[in-house]
Amino acid sequence: AQSVSQHNHHVILSEAASLELGCNYSYGGTVNLFWYVQYPGQHLQLLLKYFSGDPLVKGIKGFEAEFIKSKFSFNLRKPSVQWSDTAEYFCAVSNAGNNRKLIWGLGTSLAVNP
Amino acid sequence: GAGVSQSPSNKVTEKGKDVELRCDPISGHTALYWYRQSLGQGLEFLIYFQGNSAPDKSGLPSDRFSAERTGGSVSTLTIQRTQQEDSAVYLCASSPQGAGGELFFGEGSRLTVL
Repeated sequence: AQSVSQHNHHVILSEAASLELGCNYSYGGTVNLFWYVQYPGQHLQLLLKYFSGDPLVKGIKGFEAEFIKSKFSFNLRKPSVQWSDTAEYFCAVSNAGNNRKLIWGLGTSLAVNP
Repeated sequence: GAGVSQSPSNKVTEKGKDVELRCDPISGHTALYWYRQSLGQGLEFLIYFQGNSAPDKSGLPSDRFSAERTGGSVSTLTIQRTQQEDSAVYLCASSPQGAGGELFFGEGSRLTVL
């Protein structure tokens, strides 16, 4: 069965620090990959997605993620975080033919101290 | 409104009562999803509606759960004879056709079963 693992449940950083949130999935076929973000008091929204092509994808607010097929990973990165990046981050995966059943990680809570 | 609207935002009920949760998707979005998010858990897929096709109910946890979508727009999730383990945030998301997995989420309905 498909599963998504996010390695860090809680991350605390100071402003300007670099961020990398790990995401690994288990599925042998072709996948679509997503990162969603939930800011405090707001709804979930798409941060970035990968379907095909360049494995390095760029999203909103300076975030990027790299798909490494051999490692079944889709880690999220940002070179310099801001206080406003404090949020819950979710990695999600679907098989390429079945987008409706996104499989979600448990989320990573990021707190950025000013 | 411009986004996905869910009501009520909070619902407290007694064990054994029935509850209805409403979702008003973004106008023109053909796909509608219900998810459940429990404390410390990822998002659990419940049900998916796509246009006039038969809904995918494979995620509903028991026959106490049902959902309908009238006129291809508003959806209602009904939980009969609620149990304490039904306590969670119920999220609705919609998606335009061909979005490739980008979901637009509402703010959720928090259900507490006493």
